[in-house]
Amino acid sequence: GQSLEQPSEVTAVEGAIVQINCTYQTSGFYGLSWYQQHDGGAPTFLSYNALDGLEETGRFSSFLSRSDSYGYLLLQELQMKDSASYFCAVRDEGNTGKLIFGQGTTLQVKP
Amino acid sequence: ETGVTQTPRHLVMGMTNKKSLKCEQHLGHNAMYWYKQSAKKPLELMFVYSLEERVENNSVPSRFSPECPNSSHLFLHLHTLQPEDSALYLCASSQSTGGQETQYFGPGTRLLVL
Repeated sequence: GQSLEQPSEVTAVEGAIVQINCTYQTSGFYGLSWYQQHDGGAPTFLSYNALDGLEETGRFSSFLSRSDSYGYLLLQELQMKDSASYFCAVRDEGNTGKLIFGQGTTLQVKP
Repeated sequence: ETGVTQTPRHLVMGMTNKKSLKCEQHLGHNAMYWYKQSAKKPLELMFVYSLEERVENNSVPSRFSPECPNSSHLFLHLHTLQPEDSALYLCASSQSTGGQETQYFGPGTRLLVL
């Protein structure tokens, strides 16, 4: 089967840097995605890593190590609006395009 | 605005009612999904449609009935629901590429079953 693990909660202060880790177990691998969801809102796509290394998009970066089955989302210069849940996801081993989501990490940014 | 719309945004229904949730995607995608998200819980996949054919049904009770008349529209028909079915119902779409597919989510329908 496939599974993902990520911390349930992370707290940080404005302006700080926070790293949200994700470890996964999959039978086939097509890359690791990250989604952000604000309370009461819809998940929105943040980033995708198919190859090892760091992908940077503004204040957010995502890292992947396929040999370690591990990735992380790095958020820099935290702002209050970054308070949200963050989900890592991998594609299901079937052919439906179905994503398997992690349990989500709730990030609380404090002043 | 992700290109995926859902109506209604909020719905209150009794256990004997019949209602339908509607999802429309304007992205030209060929796959659509229904998810359920209960409070403080992760996303639960309910149904997957690929090329208008249902390819996955995740042991969802028969009181939920999906319909995909074409690649742009997806419905979720609801009847005789239970209070525990109260949740945020999210629709998503993607384009099948054979690899990782980015899913674009609608704003969701917040459902309350009384």
